[in-house]
Amino acid sequence: GQQVMQIPQYQHVQEGEDFTTYCNSSTTLSNIQWYKQRPGGHPVFLIQLVKSGEVKKQKRLTFQFGEAKKNSSLHITATQTTDVGTYFCAGDRTSYDKVIFGPGTSLSVIP
Amino acid sequence: DGGITQSPKYLFRKEGQNVTLSCEQNLNHDAMYWYRQDPGQGLRLIYYSQIVNDFQKGDIAEGYSVSREKKESFPLTVTSAQKNPTAFYLCASSLRILYEQYFGPGTRLTVT
Repeated sequence: GQQVMQIPQYQHVQEGEDFTTYCNSSTTLSNIQWYKQRPGGHPVFLIQLVKSGEVKKQKRLTFQFGEAKKNSSLHITATQTTDVGTYFCAGDRTSYDKVIFGPGTSLSVIP
Repeated sequence: DGGITQSPKYLFRKEGQNVTLSCEQNLNHDAMYWYRQDPGQGLRLIYYSQIVNDFQKGDIAEGYSVSREKKESFPLTVTSAQKNPTAFYLCASSLRILYEQYFGPGTRLTVT
């Protein structure tokens, strides 16, 4: 079946350092979504990427969808303590009727 | 105030009892979902519904049941057949299936 993987599982960074999480699928995806879950909270939608090679930015966050539409990345520039949480990617295959979530990358930021 | 609500926030039950978790949305979304999250784990799909009066099993449906009689409501029953029911349960909705999902605050269920 379709699998969505994320690396790393955990990342600890010093405040101000950059952070990147990678999302990889065993199959080609029609689109990919990214969510953030703060500790003790619920996932919140960040962005959706649809086109091959697409790059989108939200302030210090940069999202990229691979050319083959099998992988994606989220890069945070100059992390802040407000970036703490778990970042999930979620993708779906064409003609598939559900989104598959990756296991998430948990980010800790040391002040 | 639009959104998706889940109640209660915390729920305690004895083993062998069925328990129903509430999920309501006023976003006029067609699709609704139930996920289970265990400590340090990702989201596992239990059931989802694309439209009223229709629902499909997710990856871990055994021991759970749902209904979708109204567009706004998608209650989840955790039955006594579910072997490890203690978990954080999240409900979500989206305008259509595969669209961005909006999550409720979740219900933490503890079964002893």
